Amino acid sequence: DQQVKQNSPSLSVQEGRISILNCDYTNSMFDYFLWYKKYPAEGPTFLISISSIKDKNEDGRFTVFLNKSAKHLSLHIVPSQPGDSAVYFCAASGTGTASKLTFGTGTRLQVTL
Amino acid sequence: DTAVSQTPKYLVTQMGNDKSIKCEQNLGHDTMYWYKQDSKKFLKIMFSYNNKELIINETVPNRFSPKSPDKAHLNLHINSLELGDSAVYFCASSPRDLENEQFFGPGTRLTVL
Repeated sequence: DQQVKQNSPSLSVQEGRISILNCDYTNSMFDYFLWYKKYPAEGPTFLISISSIKDKNEDGRFTVFLNKSAKHLSLHIVPSQPGDSAVYFCAASGTGTASKLTFGTGTRLQVTL
Repeated sequence: DTAVSQTPKYLVTQMGNDKSIKCEQNLGHDTMYWYKQDSKKFLKIMFSYNNKELIINETVPNRFSPKSPDKAHLNLHINSLELGDSAVYFCASSPRDLENEQFFGPGTRLTVL
């Protein structure tokens, strides 16, 4: 029972272009969403988050969009850089269970020159 | 100066053995976690401790026993190892007021032969 889904296992984007990573969720109790980035042989690192009271959050080149009615969020990276090549995990948590994150299976982003 | 450290990084052992993985964080965080990432890349929470007290215990076999000697340490002991225990185990920690934004260790790759 996968409550957080990342349907694209991989994505390839040219340097300088926009990368769009997608995530869908099924649990309507989720109210906080995060993106984590993971390099090989390292643990995931927190990238950006959004609360369900917002529909957009921006941090430098990274923007997360939340569409609650569609239970969908996306991460936009503009412009993409080779150092952005990594696996990106979407995660979600619900009210009262802030520490319990449910992760998607990740999308491997490759930024090519 | 590693914020969340785990030892060992790799662990290869025979079925039926008992093994431990150690985790330490020097961030002063109150909450620590153990996650398991299986061969399908699902990253699932196993346990969470807050100030040495167990607060999350997902459906994990009782062969797995977390131990928190103090707020900065959360060790994972596994008895009678099985083939299906082979995975990467990540330790993480989070501050009291931002429990969603978790800091992960580099992971321990456990291989059970």
